[in-house]
Amino acid sequence: DAGITQSPRHKVTETGTPVTLRCHQTENHRYMYWYRQDPGHGLRLIHYSYGVKDTDKGEVSDGYSVSRSKTEDFLLTLESATSSQTSVYFCAISPGQGYRETQYFGPGTRLLVL
Amino acid sequence: GQQVMQIPQYQHVQEGEDFTTYCNSSTTLSNIQWYKQRPGGHPVFLIQLVKSGEVKKQKRLTFQFGEAKKNSSLHITATQTTDVGTYFCAASGGYQKVTFGIGTKLQVIP
Repeated sequence: DAGITQSPRHKVTETGTPVTLRCHQTENHRYMYWYRQDPGHGLRLIHYSYGVKDTDKGEVSDGYSVSRSKTEDFLLTLESATSSQTSVYFCAISPGQGYRETQYFGPGTRLLVL
Repeated sequence: GQQVMQIPQYQHVQEGEDFTTYCNSSTTLSNIQWYKQRPGGHPVFLIQLVKSGEVKKQKRLTFQFGEAKKNSSLHITATQTTDVGTYFCAASGGYQKVTFGIGTKLQVIP
């Protein structure tokens, strides 16, 4: 498995609280992605990064922000968590643009918003 | 943005039977990737198809890319319990972000 870790692995939080999920890689890959996975929807892209401080929105970015201050870390923040953000969040990395390169996924973070 | 339809959403097969999942797009794809996710796990890359009409095999798995590059299939011959999981296609129309299909969840009955 590629060197990707996510923290925390599980989290329970309350509606309205901010939550930050961390993705850490040891592969020095340029591209990093945040997805959410929900039954009936598959994997949906939230945000992605193509370099330090270079990020862009995915298809379901509302309510989420990201930051990448170092190559190895990509943070996903839920500014004010809502129950609709209960999901499994996966980080992924790739050496180049995802459509040409294999994406390697982290183990996931299960988030429950009460 | 790019959309891909994947069918079926669920499939139950008896061990030893074959299994096929299909991925379809209304537009021409640049390439297509296939991933497998075991229950409770994360998606793992299986293969990438790039050329029109391409066929690739990995042991009992056969992957095809349509001649028009608008569809793809994954076929498993003689399923085993180790094949259980969800199979995703991931497609791109070019300089677009990869879009994942909804996935096909395969259950194998021993």
